[in-house]
Amino acid sequence: KNQVEQSPQSLIILEGKNCTLQCNYTVSPFSNLRWYKQDTGRGPVSLTIMTFSENTKSNGRYTATLDADTKQSSLHITASQLSDSASYICVVSVKNNAGNMLTFGGGTRLMVKP
Amino acid sequence: GAGVSQTPSNKVTEKGKYVELRCDPISGHTALYWYRQSLGQGPEFLIYFQGTGAADDSGLPNDRFFAVRPEGSVSTLKIQRTERGDSAVYLCASSGRGGPWSDTQYFGPGTRLTVL
Repeated sequence: KNQVEQSPQSLIILEGKNCTLQCNYTVSPFSNLRWYKQDTGRGPVSLTIMTFSENTKSNGRYTATLDADTKQSSLHITASQLSDSASYICVVSVKNNAGNMLTFGGGTRLMVKP
Repeated sequence: GAGVSQTPSNKVTEKGKYVELRCDPISGHTALYWYRQSLGQGPEFLIYFQGTGAADDSGLPNDRFFAVRPEGSVSTLKIQRTERGDSAVYLCASSGRGGPWSDTQYFGPGTRLTVL
């Protein structure tokens, strides 16, 4: 079972609409959680990073929330644009013997249509 | 300066062949990471370098996979006796101070490997 689960797997919305992507994780001990945006054929690009003490963080039209108690995070996109079409990947950082490790979710593939 | 670059962008090879994938990290970044990403999946960790040494190679699937970073900058991922299951996008990332948790990783565009 994947330790970082994202939902939905894919999503289609109309330009200008809002949407929320979900991330549930089971990995521990938790260090921080990041959201990445990955355009087709490109490497992931960091959007936000949150430690366990942070509940929300915004980056322009992107707002991430974190509930460390329930081990859930969400990424809310406001007033979507065509350029928001991409995969959004939730990444949880876990402490291990080697220091720390990133565990990636499978991503949500978002398509914004005009 | 330039971001992380990877060459080649695409590599097609035959089953059983040897391939090398190259990563040029952001200048000055001490940490370098290799990931493998299958279609529709998130990246899967392979190996992490801090300077010239492999700090964590627990993600390498088997001994056909090997990576080096002899001078602490450019890294090469080497795959021997390639199998069709090795087909994926191989992503490289670098970060400043090292430690997967401490710094944002900057990813390259990836090398798409296809094993026929």
